[in-house]
Amino acid sequence: DAMVIQNPRYQVTQFGKPVTLSCSQTLNHNVMYWYQQKSSQAPKLLFHYYDKDFNNEADTPDNFQSRRPNTSFCFLDIRSPGLGDAAMYLCATSRAGGRGYNEQFFGPGTRLTVL
Amino acid sequence: GQQVMQIPQYQHVQEGEDFTTYCNSSTTLSNIQWYKQRPGGHPVFLIQLVKSGEVKKQKRLTFQFGEAKKNSSLHITATQTTDVGTYFCAEYGGSQGNLIFGKGTKLSVKP
Repeated sequence: DAMVIQNPRYQVTQFGKPVTLSCSQTLNHNVMYWYQQKSSQAPKLLFHYYDKDFNNEADTPDNFQSRRPNTSFCFLDIRSPGLGDAAMYLCATSRAGGRGYNEQFFGPGTRLTVL
Repeated sequence: GQQVMQIPQYQHVQEGEDFTTYCNSSTTLSNIQWYKQRPGGHPVFLIQLVKSGEVKKQKRLTFQFGEAKKNSSLHITATQTTDVGTYFCAEYGGSQGNLIFGKGTKLSVKP
């Protein structure tokens, strides 16, 4: 089945130690998103790629970076994780085009713990 | 900036009771999407509403878009324990498909 896959599902890192989360998709969607979701809160968009074009949200900290080497893969790099970065990180994809109101398909998420 | 307000934040119901969550905006919404997130899970798309006054049904779920396109609602008839989760409304806020989520309504159902 076509899907959005995130690895790892759980990640533990130490304060200040860089970490990379990965996302892959078999849907061949041209838009990929990274969200941060903290407990009992709505997903918060960090950035997204429209094909190769990177779009950063204004309030996304510089500590967060992203790479999209090809259509299928997207990575979230947290350069120096702080305790406040502990959260669920959700990857999502959508097929942009037409009127653009397309649903987003979410991966299962990576739960990041910072010690 | 654009913002969708969602109420209530929490709702506890007895199994078999109805449930409604509301999404409101001070500005005209271009569209509304609804997502469900089960405990420990990820958001899953339920429906999209685009037209003024639109009503869509999925089994026990009824989705409405207001005539002025400033509000939307999700109504569940005769809740079941499988309905447990957080329901989010969301609007497409950008030209490249950025979703702006409401804060969600967390539904718990007592058997």
